[in-house]
Amino acid sequence: GAVVSQHPSWVICKSGTSVKIECRSLDFQATTMFWYRQFPKQSLMLMATSNEGSKATYEQGVEKDKFLINHASLTLSTLTVTSAHPEDSSFYICSAHNPLTSGGAGNEQFFGPGTRLTVL
Amino acid sequence: DAKTTQPTSMDCAEGRAANLPCNHSTISGNEYVYWYRQIHSQGPQYIIHGLKNNETNEMASLIITEDRKSSTLILPHATLRDTAVYYCIVRVTGSARQLTFGSGTQLTVLP
Repeated sequence: GAVVSQHPSWVICKSGTSVKIECRSLDFQATTMFWYRQFPKQSLMLMATSNEGSKATYEQGVEKDKFLINHASLTLSTLTVTSAHPEDSSFYICSAHNPLTSGGAGNEQFFGPGTRLTVL
Repeated sequence: DAKTTQPTSMDCAEGRAANLPCNHSTISGNEYVYWYRQIHSQGPQYIIHGLKNNETNEMASLIITEDRKSSTLILPHATLRDTAVYYCIVRVTGSARQLTFGSGTQLTVLP
């Protein structure tokens, strides 16, 4: 089945530093990827939609200058948390849309294992 | 996407069937019912989906009522590894749109 990887799986950084998280679709091409954030005991909240070759679309309340998204290829999207602060500590999860399984034939979105970010 | 309602939590004895309900009374004719689960500190995992017919795969069965206003996910022989948050999501297929997660049901399988 389709596999999505994330790197790193966890990261601890100092306040004020930037952290880059990678999301890769390993065996399919994903023109669209999604970035979610999940705080403890809460559900996943969409942060932004990443489209290959174009600017990301951010959800209301998500600062685009703080959470930089780049989707430079059909298999890679990156999320950079700039000038991270303790309140950015969260579980970041990406998903990738597989257009080949659209139309009800199968699962369309495949999730990465998540990245645990802790900002000290 | 139609709104879904799920119980906050459920317990199930190991080896027994786990039946997780979901209400989606405003579902449209072209919307599918999807189920995902999230084991603690992992990404969501697809389980099963269906339109109107009952579906079964190696993980679970999905029973959709005739009026499609509710469904039940059945794990036939729950194991401790099935302890997770289960999300019922209703959406159309074929478009690269995000999944909207509700609060889901925390299923705890007890030894």
